[in-house]
Amino acid sequence: GAVVSQHPSRVICKSGTSVKIECRSLDFQATTMFWYRQFPKQSLMLMATSNEGSKATYEQGVEKDKFLINHASLTLSTLTVTSAHPEDSSFYICSASLMRETQYFGPGTRLLVL
Amino acid sequence: EDKVVQSPLSLVVHEGDTVTLNCSYEVTNFRSLLWYKQEKKAPTFLFMLTSSGIEKKSGRLSSILDKKELFSILNITATQTGDSAVYLCAVIGETSGSRLTFGEGTQLTVNP
Repeated sequence: GAVVSQHPSRVICKSGTSVKIECRSLDFQATTMFWYRQFPKQSLMLMATSNEGSKATYEQGVEKDKFLINHASLTLSTLTVTSAHPEDSSFYICSASLMRETQYFGPGTRLLVL
Repeated sequence: EDKVVQSPLSLVVHEGDTVTLNCSYEVTNFRSLLWYKQEKKAPTFLFMLTSSGIEKKSGRLSSILDKKELFSILNITATQTGDSAVYLCAVIGETSGSRLTFGEGTQLTVNP
């Protein structure tokens, strides 16, 4: 079946540093990848839609200069949280789309900013 | 703007009970409704529903969609402690590509 990996699974960083999270589709090519953020006891909130070779589409309220997304190939998308602050601490999940309705989720990255 | 509302938000039952989780939605040009189960990590896919009245079944889980009333239910029979999780409902509209809009989820706790 379709497998999506994320790295790292957990990261702790100091306030002001940047953190890069990788999302890979391991056994299929994904033209579209999605980045979500999930706060404790809340649902997944879509941050941005990432298409290979083009600029990401950000949801309203998500700062594109703070959350940099690069989708360099059909199997890799990266999310960089720049100048992270404690309020950016969250669970970040990516998903990759194989067919229109089908999204496969990565295992998530738990970010803690001190 | 697409919207998904799930109820109840939280549910505690005993092993062996049957539960029904609800999902109502508003979406422009509905295409599909999906159910996911989320334990400690990312969601895992359960069902995708596109047509009204056709029940999808997988073991003790089943789901059905009513496109006229704009809702879906997820049933779990003979619940087990391993069913404890957050169950998420999401919709896709024709104009949203593959973009999912999620509900808040139902936190199900099954006690032994």
